Amino acid sequence: GESVGLHLPTLSVQEGDNSIINCAYSNSASDYFIWYKQESGKGPQFIIDIRSNMDKRQGQRVTVLLNKTVKHLSLQIAATQPGDSAVYFCAEDRVSGGGADGLTFGKGTHLIIQP
Amino acid sequence: DGGITQSPKYLFRKEGQNVTLSCEQNLNHDAMYWYRQDPGQGLRLIYYSQIVNDFQKGDIAEGYSVSREKKESFPLTVTSAQKNPTAFYLCASSIWRGGPNEQFFGPGTRLTVL
Repeated sequence: GESVGLHLPTLSVQEGDNSIINCAYSNSASDYFIWYKQESGKGPQFIIDIRSNMDKRQGQRVTVLLNKTVKHLSLQIAATQPGDSAVYFCAEDRVSGGGADGLTFGKGTHLIIQP
Repeated sequence: DGGITQSPKYLFRKEGQNVTLSCEQNLNHDAMYWYRQDPGQGLRLIYYSQIVNDFQKGDIAEGYSVSREKKESFPLTVTSAQKNPTAFYLCASSIWRGGPNEQFFGPGTRLTVL
């Protein structure tokens, strides 16, 4: 089965609220994780990444948290805006160890921003 | 502008025909990738290439073929052996230094088999 997955297929939040999207992974040897945003009919767009030697990383309005103990990854989006509506995917490197071997993706969470 | 281009955006194919999807990048990236996405699903890796004239199978390579004759180009052929080719195909590229890095994606090609 897939080593990366998401807990909820759809998340609905009010505009201006914070949103948290969760992801579980099963490969404890994974050393690189990445979040992508995909709008309908378009390619995924990079949001933020994190390596296994970190437990938190912040970007503009986004924060990624990595809990290696329970193999859990989350994406926090602050003050959500209508433009944040999209499907969000977490992904991990397929083969740990530093090679460019591609990513394993979860199924995605559809974030809906309500006015 | 630097980036990844894929063509065509929409492609229709009759059963039994081979079809080639184009992917070009001007980011000077070493590694390139092809993924397949089905409705409501995540992306699955078809093939990847870390260097010119070399490529490896991903998780779902059966029925597909690739070539990497130039650093900037990584075309994907969907052969008649692919039993369920209708999908959204995404090409990506990344640098390959110091471990895994962010992959940049193209806009995708939507293939429909009639």
